[in-house]
Amino acid sequence: QPQLVQSGPEAKTPGGSVKLSCTASGYTFPAYGITWVRQAPGQGLQWLGWISPHNGNRHYAQTLQGRITLTTDLSTTTAYLELRGLRFDDTAVYYCARAKVPSAVSAPWGQGSRVTVSS
Amino acid sequence: QPALTQPSSVSGPPGQRVTISCAGNSSNIGADYRVHWYQQFPGAAPKVLIYDDDIRPSGVPDRFFGSKSGTSASLAITGLQPEDEADYYCQSFDSSLSSSVFGGGTKLTVL
Repeated sequence: QPQLVQSGPEAKTPGGSVKLSCTASGYTFPAYGITWVRQAPGQGLQWLGWISPHNGNRHYAQTLQGRITLTTDLSTTTAYLELRGLRFDDTAVYYCARAKVPSAVSAPWGQGSRVTVSS
Repeated sequence: QPALTQPSSVSGPPGQRVTISCAGNSSNIGADYRVHWYQQFPGAAPKVLIYDDDIRPSGVPDRFFGSKSGTSASLAITGLQPEDEADYYCQSFDSSLSSSVFGGGTKLTVL
């Protein structure tokens, strides 16, 4: 069964950066992309970006361009999201999910990583 | 403002049929990009309910139906049950944004 396991909660200060991990198992990692989605407290889902572990192709949400970097490590079947210049409104639960291409359905999802930005 | 528009809430008594709409435009749903629907319970990650407009993954009850027409999509739930109370999100791809997009989400209350 495909499964994604995400890193633990993070507490950061404004202006800092955070790097989250998402480790895949149960399927051929390069065969599927990884989508990242976040959900601010009490809010809806926001698509952040997608990366192909196979060739490194990336799509980023325009709202985060310049602050977000998605990477993967084939040797550990792990995807990473780095977000820089953290702001209070980056406080959210960040999810990774498997998706063949950016327009494809995302499944399964990781359990989420909570990021709190406060001073 | 989400690229896809959903009602913020819908409700119905047990056994009733409810529909959740997802309105897009010519850059996303109207461009024939597939629509996916997710169900999310409080404190949990979203789960796929419908993918590629109208396909139910194994394990999803056949009370859930997805459809698409023009620039909109809909999720219909028949025979409403208390355990259906959750948040529901639609998702599609937007060519003008070159990114996937979600609707704002709909909270379903079973009265």
